[in-house]
Amino acid sequence: EVVLTQSPGTLSLSPGERATVSCRASQSISSSYLAWYQQRPGQAPRLLIYGASSRATGIPDRFSGSGSGTDFTLTISRLEPEDFAVYYCQQYGSSPTWTFGQGTKVEIK
Amino acid sequence: QMHLQESGPGLVKPSETLSLTCTVSVGSISSSSYFWAWIRQPPEKGLEWIGSVYHSGSTYYNPSLRSRVTISVDTSKNQFSLKLRSVTAADTAVYYCASADDYWFDPWGQGTLVTVSS
Repeated sequence: EVVLTQSPGTLSLSPGERATVSCRASQSISSSYLAWYQQRPGQAPRLLIYGASSRATGIPDRFSGSGSGTDFTLTISRLEPEDFAVYYCQQYGSSPTWTFGQGTKVEIK
Repeated sequence: QMHLQESGPGLVKPSETLSLTCTVSVGSISSSSYFWAWIRQPPEKGLEWIGSVYHSGSTYYNPSLRSRVTISVDTSKNQFSLKLRSVTAADTAVYYCASADDYWFDPWGQGTLVTVSS
């Protein structure tokens, strides 16, 4: 079973700053199988990035994903007020199974 | 655009069975090559995949919940359902249904809070 570990747990930043969230897999996974979600308070998660680096429909280009193997990154180039939320990575595994990281909270500093 | 909506009791007694239904709008649940999934989120905690059912009816479950979970599809109603047996307070969570046409979940339902309490 692949375990996803996100870091940091909480990121305290100001609007306009750059946010970088890391997701590390316990074993190598295909980039095709890695996705990122945003969850605002009281809302369902929303797909941001799929296939490690492709933006979902309607997602602003300030969001980008990168990485391969065991290390993946979500970057928000310039934080907007609506970007302060919790972010989750997720991987698809054989069997099939789906696994989420524990989440990273991006909060206003 | 596809829309998913969860429904079911918001309160379940300990040791009983939690039952939820997800209604899918736009398209046929049986004709699309989708996985239909249940995911939950305990209060103030992260996301946990519960299980998925393929459009063909094949099911896949989280090993940690497999012994208590059944997910099924009702093609006549364009719905899929979750049953979680022998619930405890640890099963209190917001339960989401979602679809996956590849390896990620999109869209999601709005979620429904289920509390396990006597």
